[in-house]
Amino acid sequence: NAGVTQTPKFRVLKTGQSMTLLCAQDMNHEYMYWYRQDPGMGLRLIHYSVGEGTTAKGEVPDGYNVSRLKKQNFLLGLESAAPSQTSVYFCASRGTADYEQYFGPGTRLTVT
Amino acid sequence: GQNIDQPTEMTATEGAIVQINCTYQTSGFNGLFWYQQHAGEAPTFLSYNVLDGLEEKGRFSSFLSRSKGYSYLLLKELQMKDSASYLCAVNLSGGSYIPTFGRGTSLIVHP
Repeated sequence: NAGVTQTPKFRVLKTGQSMTLLCAQDMNHEYMYWYRQDPGMGLRLIHYSVGEGTTAKGEVPDGYNVSRLKKQNFLLGLESAAPSQTSVYFCASRGTADYEQYFGPGTRLTVT
Repeated sequence: GQNIDQPTEMTATEGAIVQINCTYQTSGFNGLFWYQQHAGEAPTFLSYNVLDGLEEKGRFSSFLSRSKGYSYLLLKELQMKDSASYLCAVNLSGGSYIPTFGRGTSLIVHP
């Protein structure tokens, strides 16, 4: 039981490049979330999903897209990376009967 | 807007008790979370308070006063491994349980 995993762990991009971050969970959770964490800013919600095939915007969605084609996976895409997207990205999941979120280990992204 | 305030940093001595406060002014309130985050790691869940009062879980307790917009996390018998950031978060979303996080309090425990 791996819990929540994220791929990759680290990545460096040049401005304008694109990439996809993968989040996978093996707990059969309905809810999945993408956050970014910046120094002094706390965790901010980017997008979330309440079930397979559904997505919704969070607090800071601009510049990001998401997809939830399979229940266990939640993908976060950056179409044209900007230096302002340099951050640590955390994925989390939650079961329907829980209020606790389970977080993945994070992806450290640097955009130069 | 939503306002969730916590002290930026606190220090305490091993074996002591420390109280980390969180005040909030938000449009709506359904409950309050506390998460712990060690440096370079993912946040982990500590507690979720909906009703006023104190809830105890081992060395950690969490208190909520909805009328005052106030919560605290109480850590007893501090250990070095308690050095971490403690994140206060408010559930504004009802049944979706989506936390809106404060900026976190960095706790340093020294011998």
